[in-house]
Amino acid sequence: NAGVTQTPKFQVLKTGQSMTLQCAQDMNHEYMSWYRQDPGMGLRLIHYSVGAGITDQGEVPNGYNVSRSTTEDFPLRLLSAAPSQTSVYFCASTSAGSNQPQHFGDGTRLSIL
Amino acid sequence: SQQGEEDPQALSIQEGENATMNCSYKTSINNLQWYRQNSGRGLVHLILIRSNEREKHSGRLRVTLDTSKKSSSLLITASRAADTASYFCATDPHSTDSWGKLQFGAGTQVVVTP
Repeated sequence: NAGVTQTPKFQVLKTGQSMTLQCAQDMNHEYMSWYRQDPGMGLRLIHYSVGAGITDQGEVPNGYNVSRSTTEDFPLRLLSAAPSQTSVYFCASTSAGSNQPQHFGDGTRLSIL
Repeated sequence: SQQGEEDPQALSIQEGENATMNCSYKTSINNLQWYRQNSGRGLVHLILIRSNEREKHSGRLRVTLDTSKKSSSLLITASRAADTASYFCATDPHSTDSWGKLQFGAGTQVVVTP
C-alpha cells in the first residue's frame, strides 16, 4: 500500500496565483486533515474531514479551501497565494474512532514569491 | 495554538547513550502521541498513550504520562545514528468532537553522533 500520497512535492508560486495540493490515501480511512508546518513551530491544523462530503475548519483556515468528494481524496486549494502561505503542507489520514494514530504524507514544500 | 511544548528544543548525544525529551500540555486529553520526523519527510507515528495509562513501551522507546502534571516523557534507549530526527508530541483533546484534531508542540531536534 502507498499510504498517504501528496503531490506535488515542491512548488513555487507567485503572489496571487492559485493552485491545488493533492492528497490521496488508500487505507479507506474516514478522517483526513491538512496541516502546515513552519520553522520552529509544530504542525497547525488547516482543515479536516470526517467523511465524504463533510469538511470543517481547523486552527488556521483562512486562504484555503477544501472539498471531499471521495473517501480517498482530499485536495487543498489556495485561492490567491500570499507569501505568508510559504510553508510545508502535510496531509494525514486516520481511522474513525478514538485513540487512532495519524498517517502522514511526505509533504508539499510550497514557496510563494 | 500549541497545546504541547517539548523540552529541550535540541539534544545532541553519542551513539549508545539514552535520550530523554519531555512534553507539557495545558488541557485534558484523550491521549498523547509521539511522532518522529526525519529531515524532509513526513511524520511517523511512534507511540500513543491513553489518558488512563501511565507508561508504555515499544522496542527501545519508553513513554510515560502524568496527567496530574500534564506532562509526558519519551526515552530512547541505546540510541543509534538512525535515531537522528525531530520528535513531536501531539495531544488529542478530551472532547466528543475533537477525534484526531491533534495539537502539536514545536518538537525536539535530536542528533546522534557515531
